[in-house]
Amino acid sequence: EDKVVQSPLSLVVHEGDTVTLNCSYEVTNFRSLLWYKQEKKAPTFLFMLTSSGIEKKSGRLSSILDKKELSSILNITATQTGDSAIYLCAGAGSYQLTFGKGTKLSVIP
Amino acid sequence: DSGVTQTPKHLITATGQRVTLRCSPRSGDLSVYWYQQSLDQGLQFLIQYYNGEERAKGNILERFSAQQFPDLHSELNLSSLELGDSALYFCASSVGAANQPQHFGDGTRLSIL
Repeated sequence: EDKVVQSPLSLVVHEGDTVTLNCSYEVTNFRSLLWYKQEKKAPTFLFMLTSSGIEKKSGRLSSILDKKELSSILNITATQTGDSAIYLCAGAGSYQLTFGKGTKLSVIP
Repeated sequence: DSGVTQTPKHLITATGQRVTLRCSPRSGDLSVYWYQQSLDQGLQFLIQYYNGEERAKGNILERFSAQQFPDLHSELNLSSLELGDSALYFCASSVGAANQPQHFGDGTRLSIL
C-alpha cells in the first residue's frame, strides 16, 4: 500500500523565520511528488517534482526531491502570516495521488 | 479560483438517505478525481474518470458510485448514508490521465445527522 508521511504535523513560527517541511514517500510506480497549500477550502497546487532532482522555486518557496532517500522538502523563507496553512504533499503513482496528512504551519506576527 | 466548480457547497441530510454531488472540471481538463477529506484520515482518493471512462479506483465504498458525462462533468452518488460519511468531498481535475497537477474545487461539506 502506498504511503506518504509528513513531518512535523504542526509548526508555530514567528514572521520572518525560515521553515522546512518534510515529506517521505513509498509509492508504487512513482512518477512525481506534488506539494499543495490548503487554507480554508481547496488545496492549491504549489510544485510538482520528478526524479530529475531539479529544484523548483516560486518566490519565497522552494522544493526539491531526493530520489535516493525517497523524500522531499519544502522551504519557506521570510515567512509571513499569509503562509499560515496546511501544507500537503502527495506521491503520484500510475494514476492516483496518495496524500500525507499535512503539516499545519502557523505564522505568528 | 481553480476553475473547478462543485455543487452544492453544503449538504445536510439524515442517515439512510442518498445524495448526489456534482463537479464541473476546468475547461480543457479530461480527468476528474474524487476525494474524501476527514479530520482523522486526511485526503483519501476515491475514484478517477478520464474522458468518460473509469480509470482508477481507490478506497471507495460499494455504497458510493460515480460517473462522468459526455460534457465531462461528473457526479458522485452516496447512498445508505451513515454518520461516518460526514466529511468534505473534493473534486479535482487535470488535463491528462496521469502524472499531472490536479486542481481542486472548493469541496462539498456533507453532514449526516
